[in-house]
Amino acid sequence: RKEVEQDPGPFNVPEGATVAFNCTYSNSASQSFFWYRQDCRKEPKLLMSVYSSGNEDGRFTAQLNRASQYISLLIRDSKLSDSATYLCVVMVTGRRALTFGSGTRLQVQP
Amino acid sequence: ETGVTQSPTHLIKTRGQQVTLRCSSQSGHNTVSWYQQALGQGPQFIFQYYREEENGRGNFPPRFSGLQFPNYSSELNVNALELDDSALYLCASSLVRQGGNTGELFFGEGSRLTVL
Repeated sequence: RKEVEQDPGPFNVPEGATVAFNCTYSNSASQSFFWYRQDCRKEPKLLMSVYSSGNEDGRFTAQLNRASQYISLLIRDSKLSDSATYLCVVMVTGRRALTFGSGTRLQVQP
Repeated sequence: ETGVTQSPTHLIKTRGQQVTLRCSSQSGHNTVSWYQQALGQGPQFIFQYYREEENGRGNFPPRFSGLQFPNYSSELNVNALELDDSALYLCASSLVRQGGNTGELFFGEGSRLTVL
């Protein structure tokens, strides 16, 4: 079983739609959580960190449920430029590495 | 752009050969990590270097080795290439303080290796 699981998609949504991605992690020692974005054939880039209280950055809202070991990302008013793969990422206590999920692909259509 | 540069961008090798990939870190960063990303997968941690020493390693065999230089640039070496080594190899730099990793990695655009 992978440490970080994501629905691979693709999610095909029209412009202006609201879309939500979910992610589960298996290691209870996970201490920090992130969403990274990766455009086609490009490198991953940090989209936002995820805090226990939930956090928002413009059209993007991230939430964490430690009890269920579940992370979500909500994108409101989708833009064509949001089309990308969204990677759920955790950092486990004592490890140097970030652990990435396989990513969820989003395609926003005109 | 992140300021992390990698070379070469693409290369083709045959089974059994050896390859060296290079990375220049973002200015001011003291730590470099290497990740392998197979098609359709997320990046997998290979190892991390801090102060020219390997200080963390993922589940990769010893034929994957690396170096970090005093200017914080880095190399990834892979010996005895196998077909499954075909992937995008990503270098990421970060600034690690006494409190540890922040979780923000700055990736280069990667080196795409094809093993035939």
